[in-house]
Amino acid sequence: QVQLQESGPGLVKPSETLSLSCTVSGGSISNYYWSWIRQPAGKRLEWIGRIYSSGSTNYNSPFESRVTLSVDTSKNQFSLRLSSVTAADTAVYYCARDSEPGAGSGHFDYWGQGTLVTVSS
Amino acid sequence: DVVVTQSPLSLPVTLGQPASISCWSSQSLVHSDGNTYLHWFQQRPGQSPRRLIYKVSNRDSGVPDRFSGSGSGTDFTLKISRVEAEDIGVYYCMQGTHWRSFGQGTKLEIK
Repeated sequence: QVQLQESGPGLVKPSETLSLSCTVSGGSISNYYWSWIRQPAGKRLEWIGRIYSSGSTNYNSPFESRVTLSVDTSKNQFSLRLSSVTAADTAVYYCARDSEPGAGSGHFDYWGQGTLVTVSS
Repeated sequence: DVVVTQSPLSLPVTLGQPASISCWSSQSLVHSDGNTYLHWFQQRPGQSPRRLIYKVSNRDSGVPDRFSGSGSGTDFTLKISRVEAEDIGVYYCMQGTHWRSFGQGTKLEIK
């Protein structure tokens, strides 16, 4: 059973960079896309972007100028960096398994438990 | 960007009665590979989202058969044949054809 676990600071100051990691266990990170999704309190889920195990990335346009995703296959881990954060970036951040290229299957079949990141001074 | 819209946003239901949630998208969700990447998720209070239905009508492993999905193109529906207490939560549809986007969520509550 694939499991994902987010980790990182729960409090980030305005204008600084939010950094989170997601560790995958019970399966290999290779040959899949992996995504970050966030959920501000009381709002809908919002896709941030995805990364393939080779390192290729796709970002949702609202985040494109501020986001960087990276992957470390040796640690079975992928990471999110979101720069110049404001209070509007306060949310629960989830990592999820996105999809297997060419498989024609669905998306987001496995999710982490989520981690609350608060942007405040 | 593809906008996904759900209705209703709040759904009070009596236990044992059916429930239905509608979802529509601003563009057709038929992918160039022939698949329609419209999925349904359940988010129970305090939990992560859990996928129930993928590609319109396929139930994920362990999902009770009282959940069913249907639709095509831009219009989709999630139905629960008989609501049980464990079904309380927020339901989201999500499209994966044109990158990724989610509906606003429908809060299912017991009357």
